[in-house]
This record gives sequence, C-alpha cells and structure tokens, in this order.
Amino acid sequence: QKEVEQNSGPLSVPEGAIASLNCTYSDRGSQSFFWYRQYSGKSPELIMSIYSNGDKEDGRFTAQLNKASQYVSLLIRDSQPSDSATYLCAIGGGTSYGKLTFGQGTILTVHP
Amino acid sequence: ETGVTQTPRHLVMGMTNKKSLKCEQHLGHNAMYWYKQSAKKPLELMFVYNFKEQTENNSVPSRFSPECPNSSHLFLHLHTLQPEDSALYLCASSQEYSGVYEQYFGPGTRLTVT
Repeated sequence: QKEVEQNSGPLSVPEGAIASLNCTYSDRGSQSFFWYRQYSGKSPELIMSIYSNGDKEDGRFTAQLNKASQYVSLLIRDSQPSDSATYLCAIGGGTSYGKLTFGQGTILTVHP
Repeated sequence: ETGVTQTPRHLVMGMTNKKSLKCEQHLGHNAMYWYKQSAKKPLELMFVYNFKEQTENNSVPSRFSPECPNSSHLFLHLHTLQPEDSALYLCASSQEYSGVYEQYFGPGTRLTVT
C-alpha cells in the first residue's frame, strides 16, 4: 500500500460545480495534512492545512479530515477554470517525524 | 512566491559540467529542503537542513552535494550528472523540521542534463 494515495484522476468538472479530491494515508500517527495546488510548469502552492478532525473552510475551499478512517479530502465549491491544476496531498508527522510525504497528485480540469 | 527564491530558473548542463543551484528564503524559517520532481512521480525529498544542520539525506547520489551556510540560504552543487537527473528541483522552507509546520516552495529550477 502506498503511504499517501490520491484518487487517480484526471478529474473533470463543469464550471460552478463542486470538485472533490480525496487522499488516504497509511501512517496512523500522522499529525498534519496539507493540500497544495500546482499549475503546469509552476511550483506547489500551499492552499490548505488541517490538523484536527472535522472541516476547515477557507473561501471556496473546504478540507475535511477523518483520522479514524485515515482520510483527508478537499472540496472546491463553485469551481472555476482557474482551479484547473494538479492538487497534491501531503502528510506530516507521525513515524516520518519531520518529513512530508506527498501523494502523486490529482489533475483537475474545470471546463466552461 | 517571493518568500522563497531560486536561481537559476532554467539550467542546461552537460554530463561533465559543475553547476550550483541557489535558494534563499525571506520568511525567517529555520528549516530548508531540496526536492526533486520528475514527470509522473511524486515529489521526492532529497535533503533537509534544520538550523543549518543536515538532518536528512534521502539516499541521494553523491553527485548532488548540498550546502547550507545559514538558515536563509541553501545550495545544491551538481557534478557529473546523468540524463535521468533532468527534473524540476524545488527548494522549500518551514519554521522548523517537525512535519507539523507548513512548507513553502520556491519557483524551482528546471534542470536539463544533456
């Protein structure tokens, strides 16, 4: 089992819809959970961080964490074409201590 | 993006060349990282420096040599690279090396080895 696994995608949604990106992880001791957005040819940009169970909202983005199920997700409401990018899930803490372990990424395309 | 800067942004080098990548962070962080990103592969952590001390070397070949003179600057010295080393090299920084702090990335250096 991969340490951090994301839904393989690519994911295509119409403009205005909700995009749902999912990530599962294997290390039960993980403490920190991040979502990065990476546009083609650019570097990853941190968009959300979450540390405790439940939901965290920031504008159109909502991160959801369920440590019992070892699952973290990112919802993008009212998706825009500018949201088209690769989304990376990263997990930190636990047995990896300082290391962030990244998933392989999910490509999201929002079409007009 | 201006919090972490990297130079050069693009680099083409031959297999016998020696070159260096530079990273500078303006965020007051104490930990700095080198990552490699190849096509269709997850980000690979290469090196970590925490308070100027190397705390992680992720089995990186010796043709990559990091240097961290202070908490704001990080270098990656390259020599006798192979074509498979062509990738995007990313520098990142965080407050400390603990896994719970957010990491911020620089724009990256696109390296091509010919």
